Amino acid sequence: DVKVTQSSRYLVKRTGEKVFLECVQDMDHENMFWYRQDPGLGLRLIYFSYDVKMKEKGDIPEGYSVSREKKERFSLILESASTNQTSMYLCASTPGSGPNEKLFFGSGTQLSVL
Amino acid sequence: SQQGEEDPQALSIQEGENATMNCSYKTSINNLQWYRQNSGRGLVHLILIRSNEREKHSGRLRVTLDTSKKSSSLLITASRAADTASYFCATEDSNYQLIWGAGTKLIIKP
Repeated sequence: DVKVTQSSRYLVKRTGEKVFLECVQDMDHENMFWYRQDPGLGLRLIYFSYDVKMKEKGDIPEGYSVSREKKERFSLILESASTNQTSMYLCASTPGSGPNEKLFFGSGTQLSVL
Repeated sequence: SQQGEEDPQALSIQEGENATMNCSYKTSINNLQWYRQNSGRGLVHLILIRSNEREKHSGRLRVTLDTSKKSSSLLITASRAADTASYFCATEDSNYQLIWGAGTKLIIKP
C-alpha cells in the first residue's frame, strides 16, 4: 500500500515563526497536494504539484509557499505563521497525470499558532 | 470553491442499522468519490463512481449517482461501531479539479 508520511502529528508555533511541514510518499506518485481542513469547511486546496520543481496555486495559497525538489517530497512553508493558520494540514498524492482518482492521504498535522 | 454539500451534517444510528448520506454538487463532473476520516486522522478513499455510472458496490457500501439531479448517496449497510467517522464526497470537475464537501459526521451507537 502507498504510504504518505507527514513529519509531525502535532505542532505548536508562535506568531511570526517560519514553519515547515514535510510530506513524503513512497510510491513514485507524480501528483502531490496540500490541503487544510477546518471544521465545517471541508478540505481546501492550498497548493499542488504535478512534477518535480513544479507547483500550482490552489484555492487558498496566500500566506503559504511550497517546495518540491524531489519527486517523493512535498513541503509546505508558512513564511510567517499567523493565528488564522491554526488548522489541520493534510498532504495527499495520486499516481499519474490526468484525472485525480483515489487520493492517498497522510495522517495530518494539527498546527496551532499561538 | 466548495460545491459538494453533504447531507445530513451529522447522523447518529444504532449498530446494525443502515446509514445513508447524500452529496449534492453544482457543475458537471468526471467522477465522484467518497472518503472516510476517522477522528483526527487522514482521509481514506472508499469508492469512486464515474459520471456514466449509476450505482456501485463495495462490500457493505453502495453508492448511487444521479447526474440529472446532481446528487449522490452513500449507503452503509449493517453498520458497525468501526464505521463511526466523518464521510466526505469529492467531485472531480471538467478541469480535473477536486471539490470537497464539508462532510457528514456518522456516529454508530452500540
